Amino acid sequence: GIQVEQSPPDLILQEGANSTLRCNFSDSVNNLQWFHQNPWGQLINLFYIPSGTKQNGRLSATTVATERYSLLYISSSQTTDSGVYFCAVPGGGSEKLVFGKGTKLTVNP
Amino acid sequence: EAGVTQSPTHLIKTRGQQATLRCSPISGHTSVYWYQQALGLGLQFLLWYDEGEERNRGNFPPRFSGRQFPNYSSELNVNALELEDSALYLCASSRRKKTGYSNQPQHFGDGTRLSIL
Repeated sequence: GIQVEQSPPDLILQEGANSTLRCNFSDSVNNLQWFHQNPWGQLINLFYIPSGTKQNGRLSATTVATERYSLLYISSSQTTDSGVYFCAVPGGGSEKLVFGKGTKLTVNP
Repeated sequence: EAGVTQSPTHLIKTRGQQATLRCSPISGHTSVYWYQQALGLGLQFLLWYDEGEERNRGNFPPRFSGRQFPNYSSELNVNALELEDSALYLCASSRRKKTGYSNQPQHFGDGTRLSIL
């Protein structure tokens, strides 16, 4: 089945810093989602981005489908950005999502 | 628009018991998905329901089962609970995928945290 790899696994930032999270996937996809899981376990939709670039406030994402990767940019990070960031793609010709292992982000004040 | 709602928030059971978790999708969504997030194992796909039918199943034993009702809400049942079933169970919903189009984005509920003592 499709493999999803995220890097880095852990990231520690000072408030105000910028960061880039990467998601590589092993096969072509028609859909990619980025999520933020907060410390309470809630999985929050950030982007639905099969290709191209999208921006939402301090966050933006770019997917280059032909090269099988996606990037999530976080600018001017805040402590509330802490949590785990997951990317997910459809797997096995099905509607199910296959998740990467996530990037754990800690933003210190 | 109300999001995906799950109940209960927390559930504590003992080994061998049965657990029932519930999920109401976003209005207009016909597909419901269940995922398990156990410590150290990441987010794993459990079940997918659409239009009342089970469409796909992840690599879980048959004691994990569920159903989807005519109003598109769903139940996940776990029988003969084992300690390793302790996890956060997340439900997601999406609109039906149109043939020839990309998969629809999935939207997640806040989860049910199941603890097995």
